[in-house]
Amino acid sequence: AQSVSQHNHHVILSEAASLELGCNYSYGGTVNLFWYVQYPGQHLQLLLKYFSGDPLVKGIKGFEAEFIKSKFSFNLRKPSVQWSDTAEYFCAALLNDYKLSFGAGTTVTVRA
Amino acid sequence: DVKVTQSSRYLVKRTGEKVFLECVQDMDHENMFWYRQDPGLGLRLIYFSYDVKMKEKGDIPEGYSVSREKKERFSLILESASTNQTSMYLCASSRDTDYYTQYFGPGTRLTVL
Repeated sequence: AQSVSQHNHHVILSEAASLELGCNYSYGGTVNLFWYVQYPGQHLQLLLKYFSGDPLVKGIKGFEAEFIKSKFSFNLRKPSVQWSDTAEYFCAALLNDYKLSFGAGTTVTVRA
Repeated sequence: DVKVTQSSRYLVKRTGEKVFLECVQDMDHENMFWYRQDPGLGLRLIYFSYDVKMKEKGDIPEGYSVSREKKERFSLILESASTNQTSMYLCASSRDTDYYTQYFGPGTRLTVL
């Protein structure tokens, strides 16, 4: 079955550390990829998206993600996290139809 | 800013009750969605609608129905609530020209006893 998998369930790190969250999808065709974020007590919101073109995508709040087709991956990165980046992060993909498939989510806790 | 509102943040119902979850968006979006969010499972699509009175099943439609009588309002109905429907329910909307940028509501945490 086509799906989206996120490697880490919970990541704990200190402020100023670098963050990388893994996301893989299982589909060989054209994909559109997304990262959504849900801050504590807030709505889920779009962080960044990839449709085509430059595989390195810049998003809001200093986040970026790289699409590596050969690895079926779309990992999210931030060079230096802040306490305010504590949130749950969801990778999503449009695989071959009109529905977004979401990963299970990764909870990121940043310690001050 | 797009605003998607849901009728309740928290709801407690009993097994067998009929439950209505309401969602309203104020940006004239064509598409509206209902998801449920469970720990370890992420978001799963229940139903979506691309126009008034139109609906399509998502990945987990069993035990749910929907209604879209007006463009701004999309209702999720649990005909006979069961304990396995205890979950966080998220509504979202998007524009036809940017279908995959979905704007989410705050969620309704439903507990079925």
